[in-house]
Amino acid sequence: LAKTTQPISMDSYEGQEVNITCSHNNIATNDYITWYQQFPSQGPRFIIQGYKTKVTNEVASLFIPADRKSSTLSLPRVSLSDTAVYYCLVGGGWGFQKLVFGTGTRLLVSP
Amino acid sequence: GAGVSQSPRYKVAKRGQDVALRCDPISGHVSLFWYQQALGQGPEFLTYFQNEAQLDKSGLPSDRFFAERPEGSVSTLKIQRTQQEDSAVYLCASSKKETDTQYFGPGTRLTVL
Repeated sequence: LAKTTQPISMDSYEGQEVNITCSHNNIATNDYITWYQQFPSQGPRFIIQGYKTKVTNEVASLFIPADRKSSTLSLPRVSLSDTAVYYCLVGGGWGFQKLVFGTGTRLLVSP
Repeated sequence: GAGVSQSPRYKVAKRGQDVALRCDPISGHVSLFWYQQALGQGPEFLTYFQNEAQLDKSGLPSDRFFAERPEGSVSTLKIQRTQQEDSAVYLCASSKKETDTQYFGPGTRLTVL
């Protein structure tokens, strides 16, 4: 299973765009890239998933370069409620998804 | 519709006691997963069910951990003779099928004294 590396923590202010980059040098051909968000005392919540290029939904955008060795989660105009831990995962695509979480990125949004 | 629910939300056990943690997946979801999350760490995979079949239990830490899903819906994670190192949040997730997005419950926080 591919290992991911992401910053331990990030700070931002309300209204700013936040970009969290994850590296996954050993990503396999059939691996997808998935991001989860976790608030204290809650289970992880699915944010977005992509395979290549760019994916956008109502919450975030995911940018994946051609070599797929990294990906960037973009959160537009963050608010205080976006303070959470964000996990980047790679895998799946075939067979069951034994999700492998790292330690994640702790995002702190300040007023 | 209702999401994944887990009970109890909090459990305190004395060392050596047995505990049972329950997971109610989203209705119709075939796949069910259990994860363990230590304080400050990401969740770690414990075991996976497809319907009532336990297809992977490679993440269970020891033979004191046992999971079942007898009718292919509700699942129970049982820990026998609890130890202090078992203290963690136990998360359950379900998905429509094995490769689909996993939806997590709120978790059960187990504290072993």
